[in-house]
Amino acid sequence: GAGVSQSPRYKVTKRGQDVALRCDPISGHVSLYWYRQALGQGPEFLTYFNYEAQQDKSGLPNDRFSAERPEGSISTLTIQRTEQRDSAMYRCASSHAGANEPEQFFGPGTRLTVL
Amino acid sequence: SQELEQSPQSLIVQEGKNLTINCTSSKTLYGLYWYKQKYGEGLIFLMMLQKGGEEKSHEKITAKLDEKKQQSSLHITASQPSHAGIYLCGAKAGGTSYGKLTFGQGTILTVHP
Repeated sequence: GAGVSQSPRYKVTKRGQDVALRCDPISGHVSLYWYRQALGQGPEFLTYFNYEAQQDKSGLPNDRFSAERPEGSISTLTIQRTEQRDSAMYRCASSHAGANEPEQFFGPGTRLTVL
Repeated sequence: SQELEQSPQSLIVQEGKNLTINCTSSKTLYGLYWYKQKYGEGLIFLMMLQKGGEEKSHEKITAKLDEKKQQSSLHITASQPSHAGIYLCGAKAGGTSYGKLTFGQGTILTVHP
């Protein structure tokens, strides 16, 4: 497909379990972003990759959250020892590199529910 | 940190009516994005504004950026049911060379046929 894809679309897990969320960006997009969106709120920045380098992880809430993009394409956001407060929509976005703030293309998101 | 306040939080209009959504920033704007969100879908990019006074249009949607007021407005002319959804404004964080965005809380638009 031509757009950003994310999997799974829905994930229900029990508190204490680890989860891995996958993002497949648009082919050729250098920049990749992860956001988290609570119900009734706008997305909140989590982390940013330029190729395979994680250049900004200032939005990750704590050390249970980590992300990687080993080959500069697909990215995985991992949450260890999930807690109920981690329940949210997790969104991935990608864009071209370059100046003039290129638009970010968002995926459909993964709805995470922690019981 | 930068905060974006959108108003109104929700809006219900009759088909054919015009409407305006506002987005006000607590800090200087370095690029303002408008997105539309529909249930179960990703955010759809509408427009990006970079310079004060800039105005862009796409179909019946027009967005303006007022740098002095640190504000942007999104105007829809002759609304249609297809315009319904959640409208989000996002601003680039100052001092970064990449698109780290801060978003407003969203405006829920309902258009009655």
